[in-house]
Amino acid sequence: SAVISQKPSRDICQRGTSLTIQCQVDSQVTMMFWYRQQPGQSLTLIATANQGSEATYESGFVIDKFPISRPNLTFSTLTVSNMSPEDSSIYLCSVESDGEQFFGPGTRLTVL
Amino acid sequence: AQSVTQPDIHITVSEGASLELRCNYSYGATPYLFWYVQSPGQGLQLLLKYFSGDTLVQGIKGFEAEFKRSQSSFNLRKPSVHWSDAAEYFCAVEGNTDKLIFGTGTRLQVFP
Repeated sequence: SAVISQKPSRDICQRGTSLTIQCQVDSQVTMMFWYRQQPGQSLTLIATANQGSEATYESGFVIDKFPISRPNLTFSTLTVSNMSPEDSSIYLCSVESDGEQFFGPGTRLTVL
Repeated sequence: AQSVTQPDIHITVSEGASLELRCNYSYGATPYLFWYVQSPGQGLQLLLKYFSGDTLVQGIKGFEAEFKRSQSSFNLRKPSVHWSDAAEYFCAVEGNTDKLIFGTGTRLQVFP
């Protein structure tokens, strides 16, 4: 199994600013993922964070808006850039371990 | 394209009653199927998964699910619901890209 922590757990931000979310795993994993869960909606994959290379983004998500770092096998960050109220969501980090995906507790972001 | 449909947005049951949450998927081959639960303010927790073999899968917290290829379904069941089961339930499919695609979720409300 894998235990995942995220920081911050929640934040309220002003329009136009950026927020960096951290994801820490208690073991080394190859695959890390970032999801967005908009209010009342399901989870949508933003990108796959690859260690040592650029992240792989899903359709509708771009690096300029959601830059991702993956400096090692236990840590990743997601930045939400130039935020607007439409970015208000829960952002979840996920890892794959032994054929199962484990999820962090999420970061609840509110943009005013 | 792979997709998951959860037809029921919201279900209400009495404590002690049986429960069935519906999930239909679209995928060309035999998919990997999952059920996750998300309690308020919590991350996602895996209830059970189907990869292959026995089509009736047992999970945690007394849940089970049955894979029916002919119906492209993977419905979640519990014989007797507890008040602590109130949460959001997500069905997900993993295709050949190691990415999870989630359904829109079913919110379960339990009355005493």
